[in-house]
Amino acid sequence: KQEVTQIPAALSVPEGENLVLNCSFTDSAIYNLQWFRQDPGKGLTSLLLIQSSQREQTSGRLNASLDKSSGRSTLYIAASQPGDSATYLCAVSSLSGTYKYIFGTGTRLKVLA
Amino acid sequence: EAQVTQNPRYLITVTGKKLTVTCSQNMNHEYMSWYRQDPGLGLRQIYYSMNVEVTDKGDVPEGYKVSRKEKRNFPLILESPSPNQTSLYFCASSLKGGTVSYEQYFGPGTRLTVT
Repeated sequence: KQEVTQIPAALSVPEGENLVLNCSFTDSAIYNLQWFRQDPGKGLTSLLLIQSSQREQTSGRLNASLDKSSGRSTLYIAASQPGDSATYLCAVSSLSGTYKYIFGTGTRLKVLA
Repeated sequence: EAQVTQNPRYLITVTGKKLTVTCSQNMNHEYMSWYRQDPGLGLRQIYYSMNVEVTDKGDVPEGYKVSRKEKRNFPLILESPSPNQTSLYFCASSLKGGTVSYEQYFGPGTRLTVT
């Protein structure tokens, strides 16, 4: 059964720092991996979607990479800002259940001004 | 504006009183899904639907029902709510992928309390 882990659970960094959030999964047979942002009391906002055939995706200051063989994805945030403070979640869709999604428990990020 | 809407946003109810949480999307998406989010457990998928009249169980379907009679709507039904169904519920939708998959769009959430 697919399991998704995000470490660390919480992270505080000073403004301007580049940072990396980690997501690992146990079954490498995935259909896609998606990174989300969740603000307190709000829904999820999609940040990046990586197809299983891709190695990375970029959007502005965000870059997500995917290494299926090692069961890992990283979300790189460049030049962090206080507005980046949120919980970041990754979710994988496995090939065995293409429309079933498994989420990690998230990394709560705080960027200090 | 492209969006997923959920109603109600907040609901307090009592054990055993049937309730329905509605979900609607205006993006003509084939795929729709329900999740619940609990502290320490993250988001877990309850049910999903790949198109009208096509639904399937996620990881935690017990105690829930769904229906997909129209493409835009995917209501979540709790026939006899219990306190362990107190949670934050999210509806999501996306285009249905094949060789290429598509990102999910989420509603704002429904906070349900069952006493």
